[in-house]
Formats: sequence, C-alpha cells, structure tokens
Amino acid sequence: DAGITQSPRHKVTETGTPVTLRCHQTENHRYMYWYRQDPGHGLRLIHYSYGVKDTDKGEVSDGYSVSRSKTEDFLLTLESATSSQTSVYFCASATASGANVLTFGAGSRLTVL
Amino acid sequence: AQRVTQPEKLLSVFKGAPVELKCNYSYSGSPELFWYVQYSRQRLQLLLRHISRESIKGFTADLNKGETSFHLKKPFAQEEDSAMYYCALSGHSGNTGKLIFGQGTTLQVKP
Repeated sequence: DAGITQSPRHKVTETGTPVTLRCHQTENHRYMYWYRQDPGHGLRLIHYSYGVKDTDKGEVSDGYSVSRSKTEDFLLTLESATSSQTSVYFCASATASGANVLTFGAGSRLTVL
Repeated sequence: AQRVTQPEKLLSVFKGAPVELKCNYSYSGSPELFWYVQYSRQRLQLLLRHISRESIKGFTADLNKGETSFHLKKPFAQEEDSAMYYCALSGHSGNTGKLIFGQGTTLQVKP
C-alpha cells in the first residue's frame, strides 16, 4: 500500500519555525489534496492541485502554502508554524475521472509547541 | 452552506447487534455521498458511495433526500468493524475531490 508516501510521519517543532510536509505518489494521479484531521472537525481541505503548477486554496488555507512541480510530488509548507496547526495531515490523490474516490496517505502528525 | 453532521462521536455495540451510524447533510442540490473508514493502523479508505448502491463488508447506506440523511447500516456487527467512520459530501463542487467531511464516528464493537 505504498501508492502514497508522506514524510515525515511525525514531527515536533516550535512556534514560528517553518515546516514542510511532503507527499509522494506513484499512482500517476493527476489530482492531489492536503487535508487536516482534528477532533470535532473531521477532515478539512487545506489546498488541492489539479496538475503540475495548478494549485488552489481549500476551506482552511490560511497559514499554508503548497507547491507541485512534478505530478508525483505535492508539498505543504507552514511558513511560520503556530500551535493551532498542531494536527494530523493527510495527503490524498485521485484520478481526474473519479476525483471523489480519494486514495489517502498514512498521515503526518505535527505537533507545534 | 454545505455541511455534514455525524451526531455520534462514539457508538458502542456488542458483536452481533445491528449498527446504524448516522449522517445528515445540508445541501440544496443533488448530492454525492460517501462513507470513508479508517481501521486501526490503516489508511483512510472509501467504504461505499451512494451512486454505486453496493453492499461492502455487509454495510449499506441509502440516500434519503427527504430527510437529508445517508445513514450507514449493518445488521450484525463484527469486531473487525471497529473503526472511525466518516461521512462525506460532494456538493456543488461536483467531481473534484473537494469533499466535505463530517466529524467522524468511532464504532466500537465489543465481544
């Protein structure tokens, strides 16, 4: 089940530091997403991409940026981490024809102290 | 506004008992609804979608537009059904993967 790999899987950082989470997929999926999972909120969409250099904001994009320079890689950056960004981050991918059938990564647990 | 509500944070049943995980949605158009599941130490994965009208692992879910609900049901729960279940909606965004998820319900099946 290594179609989507997220790194790092766990990270502890301090407020104000930059953090980059990486998502790598070997599914050749055109669409990719970053969601965050929080108790009481379920999963919420941060950013998404419909192709190389084609990205857009989701529901909770403030404080996050993304980049997609290759089909297989989708990076999520927190320019200056805050405690409210402590969460579990999930990367997902999908085909263009079946975009609502998401394939998820294993998740990256980020703690901001 | 589009919204998905799963009113139960935790549902605990005994093995062999019927299970119903509730999901209500708010959307004025024709929704596409899904149930995703995350088993312990596994990835979040699609369980079923209403348009396929399948029964997966004994689970079914019927879209009730009048009650704006998409409850997940299984007549006889098994211990391996213990997991976190998320109901999700694709509303006006269509086939884009921009899903709106509910808060999730943890199903605990006791032996």
